[in-house]
Amino acid sequence: NAGVTQTPKFQVLKTGQSMTLQCAQDMNHNSMYWYRQDPGMGLRLIYYSASEGTTDKGEVPNGYNVSRLNKREFSLRLESAAPSQTSVYFCASLFQLQAGVLFFGEGSRLTVL
Amino acid sequence: GIQVEQSPPDLILQEGANSTLRCNFSDSVNNLQWFHQNPWGQLINLFYIPSGTKQNGRLSATTVATERYSLLYISSSQTTDSGVYFCAVKSYDYKLSFGAGTTVTVRA
Repeated sequence: NAGVTQTPKFQVLKTGQSMTLQCAQDMNHNSMYWYRQDPGMGLRLIYYSASEGTTDKGEVPNGYNVSRLNKREFSLRLESAAPSQTSVYFCASLFQLQAGVLFFGEGSRLTVL
Repeated sequence: GIQVEQSPPDLILQEGANSTLRCNFSDSVNNLQWFHQNPWGQLINLFYIPSGTKQNGRLSATTVATERYSLLYISSSQTTDSGVYFCAVKSYDYKLSFGAGTTVTVRA
């Protein structure tokens, strides 16, 4: 039982390159989230998916797109990476919309040069 | 959206000391959780506590939803308690928002 799996764990990009962060959960959770964490700023919500087939913007969606491919998978895409997107990205999932414990992946460290 | 404030931002403890961390939020919530981020960056859920009191070993938490705050208590602190403690809340939309965290350093 792997929980929430993120790939890749580390990535270095040049400004303007694109990439996709993959996230998969095997807990049959309905809701999935993408956060970014910058030093001293806690975790900020980028996008979330309340259920399969729906996605919504969080606090900091600019420069990102997401796809809820199926109930298990929720990917985050950077179309044209910028140095301001250097951060640690966390995927998380939640069983119920109204309640329940949030489970996190191990994080993906992205550096944009 | 809902605002989450945590205090204090930093806390330095001597091993064996007790401490209280606070989380204030700006609106009614139906989900409140406390997390610990260890020095390796892993985020571990400590408590799911939208209301009431829970205890788990040396840690306990209380949420007073009507007054919009939650407290996390650490008793007899150990060096392994070091890290960042986050409070996360969700109101009646689906966004789960985090506070900026309290960085705890426990010295031997």
